[in-house]
Parts: sequence; structure tokens; C-alpha cells
Amino acid sequence: QMQLQESAPGLVRPSETLSLTCTVSGASISHSTFYWGWIRQPPGKGLEWIGTVYEDGDTRYNPSLKSRVSMSVDTSKNQFSLSLRSVTTTDTATYYCVRHFGSIDWCDPWGHGALVTVSS
Amino acid sequence: DIQVTQSPSTLSASVGDRVTITCRASQNINVWLAWYQQKPGKPPKLLIYQASTLQPGIPPRFSGSGSGTEFTFTISSLQPDDFATYYCQQYDTYSVTFGQGTKLEIK
Repeated sequence: QMQLQESAPGLVRPSETLSLTCTVSGASISHSTFYWGWIRQPPGKGLEWIGTVYEDGDTRYNPSLKSRVSMSVDTSKNQFSLSLRSVTTTDTATYYCVRHFGSIDWCDPWGHGALVTVSS
Repeated sequence: DIQVTQSPSTLSASVGDRVTITCRASQNINVWLAWYQQKPGKPPKLLIYQASTLQPGIPPRFSGSGSGTEFTFTISSLQPDDFATYYCQQYDTYSVTFGQGTKLEIK
């Protein structure tokens, strides 16, 4: 059964770059028809889509974050990654990696989530 | 961008009640809508996709309907395990938007 696991630093300083990696187990990222995405949830708040990436590098980003976001796939490690530049305290959130069924469709499964705090 | 308005934000109900949550999209999204359940400290769990298709393993007391801009999610008879927060998600035109969430509380 496919599982996703986020790796994150925990604490990031304001103005720095937040980097997260999602490791996929139980299935291969390569040669699949699925897109892979990131979703975040600030403490006590709702869900926000960050963006989605395909194995060939095709990406779609939330317009509100597009200027600060980049995503990539490493098929050799069966991982995909998120970089969010110039973070502020409003980027404090639990970050989830997900598989999109099909193109950019519904999300299943989800990783357990990684809390990233932006603070000096 | 497509906006999704979910209501109510909070819903108080009792075990055995029938409850309904509504999501409205700012433009036609056909049937490209999913519903999730989230419990504290856990990731969201997919319940329904394509507006009305039940994810395998999800009990049939959960159902969804609608198309275009108006969608509903119904729990036919609330069970103790159903008290959680529910989100809708649209996935039309290569972008994703979530509703604001509905917290289902015990009355």
C-alpha cells in the first residue's frame, strides 16, 4: 500500500527558504499517471493547496504563492520536493504531501504532515 | 481563480441525525468536487470524489450530490466517529481550491 512521508526542518527563520521532501513508498513515482502535490494547513485553520508536480517536471502552482514556490521530482529516490522562498510567520503550517489521482484531481493518500514553524 | 464557499462553518447535531453540508463554486466545475473528513492531529481522509463517488471502504451513510456550482454532502445517520471537520475541494482547470471547512460538533 502506498505511503507518503514528509521530511521537514521544523523551524525556519524569516526570509529564509523552507525546503521539504516527500518520500513515496509502496509504489513508484516513475511511469505513473499521477501528479504529486503539497497542501498546507496553518494551526487551527483550513487547507491551502500549494502546488502540484509531475515526473516530467510539469508544475501547477497556487497563484497566490507562485512567485515563491518551486517543486521537483527525483525519480531515482522516489521523492518529490517543495521549496518556498522568503518565508514569513504566515507560512507557519503543517505541510502535507499528497498524491493526486489522475492529473490534478482529488488527493489520496496523504502524508501524516510535518509542522514547520517560521520564527526568529 | 475558482472560489468555493462552504456552509455552515459549524454544525451541532446528535447521534442518529441526518446532516447536510453545502459547497458552492464561483463558476461551473461540472462534477469535479471531492469531500474529506479530518480529525484533530490527522491528515484529511478522502470520502467522496467526482461529487458523488464513494471512496472504497467508506460507509454508505456518507453521500454526495450536485453538479455545476451547487454541491451537497450528507451523512444519513450520524455515528459517534463522524464528529470531525469536513472539507470540500474543487479540482477543475488545473487548480485546486478547498472550502473553508465545517466543524461537526456533538449537540
